[in-house]
Amino acid sequence: EVQLVESGGVVVQPGGSLRLSCAVSGFTFEDYSMHWVRQIPGKGLEWVAVIRWDGYDSYYADSVKGRFTISRDTSKNSLYLQMNSLRSDDTALYYCAKGSLSDTVMSPFDSWGQGTLVTVSS
Amino acid sequence: DIVMTQSPDSLAVSLGERATINCKSSQSLLYSSNNKNYLAWYQQKPGQPPKLLIYWASTREFGVPDRFSGSGSGTDFTLTISSLQAEDVAVYYCQRYYHDPPLTFGGGTKVEIK
Repeated sequence: EVQLVESGGVVVQPGGSLRLSCAVSGFTFEDYSMHWVRQIPGKGLEWVAVIRWDGYDSYYADSVKGRFTISRDTSKNSLYLQMNSLRSDDTALYYCAKGSLSDTVMSPFDSWGQGTLVTVSS
Repeated sequence: DIVMTQSPDSLAVSLGERATINCKSSQSLLYSSNNKNYLAWYQQKPGQPPKLLIYWASTREFGVPDRFSGSGSGTDFTLTISSLQAEDVAVYYCQRYYHDPPLTFGGGTKVEIK
């Protein structure tokens, strides 16, 4: 059974930093691209970032480019999102999600975690 | 960037009746090399993460009831629930996964019981 478990969400002050983690199991981690998606409670879904299956490239939404960094550690079966220069509009529930197609970043997401809540507030 | 526009924002349908949700892309999602439309539909129930329902515009994910169907090609797509059940109350999102990132979602359509 595929499992994705996010952690690291807390209350942080504007301008602060945070690292989210996503522990995965139940599939061959290095075969699939992984994504972060966020959702302001009560609002829609916003794709945030993706990292290739081999970790050699990543892409970001314009809203986070230059502030967030996605990474993965195959030895730990974990995905990360380093978030710097946080702003109030980064407040959201952050999901990690697995791409359904191997060896491509452009695929739908067939598994999602339950999300971890990040609140940026003074 | 490619814009995904869903309509309506919400709809109320009687149990057993049909629900239809539309999604329009600002660019074609049809890849001519394999004749596939790179469009997915998700269902999100309150307090839960999204669940993949349909990919390639019309292929149901394993385990998804056959009352859910997807259609369309190019820039215009439709999700149809043929006979609405109480457990189908949710927000539904379309998403493109063609061209370059970002992998844009539509704004969502809330489906309720009339």
